[in-house]
Amino acid sequence: GESVGLHLPTLSVQEGDNSIINCAYSNSASDYFIWYKQESGKGPQFIIDIRSNMDKRQGQRVTVLLNKTVKHLSLQIAATQPGDSAVYFCAEKVSGGYNKLIFGAGTRLAVHP
Amino acid sequence: NAGVTQTPKFQVLKTGQSMTLQCAQDMNHEYMSWYRQDPGMGLRLIHYSVGAGITDQGEVPNGYNVSRSTTEDFPLRLLSAAPSQTSVYFCASTFGLSTEAFFGQGTRLTVV
Repeated sequence: GESVGLHLPTLSVQEGDNSIINCAYSNSASDYFIWYKQESGKGPQFIIDIRSNMDKRQGQRVTVLLNKTVKHLSLQIAATQPGDSAVYFCAEKVSGGYNKLIFGAGTRLAVHP
Repeated sequence: NAGVTQTPKFQVLKTGQSMTLQCAQDMNHEYMSWYRQDPGMGLRLIHYSVGAGITDQGEVPNGYNVSRSTTEDFPLRLLSAAPSQTSVYFCASTFGLSTEAFFGQGTRLTVV
């Protein structure tokens, strides 16, 4: 397997800083928005989700913010660590009873010591 | 538990050849799906299944077939490989209506 990340936007941060990864979505009918992390050579891994009727949700070192007015989703990572280096994807869960996920293009996060 | 297992990890095909990408999960998940991932793009849904015997098309189904005879297995068939199908393929499974999809390690396919 392989992480395919050529030509992706890249966010470079210093270790210990906070990171903010942004995503614009298009489907107002989605009932959940999700963040996935993909490390090199691996498949995507679930990080956190937020229901469409919420505007903020916190997890361990991560916070997701949802602004439905401008169709914007962000993932905040506190105290970024080298292990956070990966490609991050936002995804929408299409409402309607089935688990169809529509993924964004991804952002590469590079953490420097 | 093994989770989601994909085979093979790498494959090179000649244009016009057919092959099957295997996907198996041992978590008793009803929902399974296939995605392809191309450089600079996110994952695009090819086909999905909501249970044994039930499949449906995703965003980019042309050139691919699927079947779901058991809960555990969801193979993806390339009928006549084309260079445009060069990609990394991921299989995923989900329990119920959860947003947490479990992905396999991927299959890197090159069509020459």
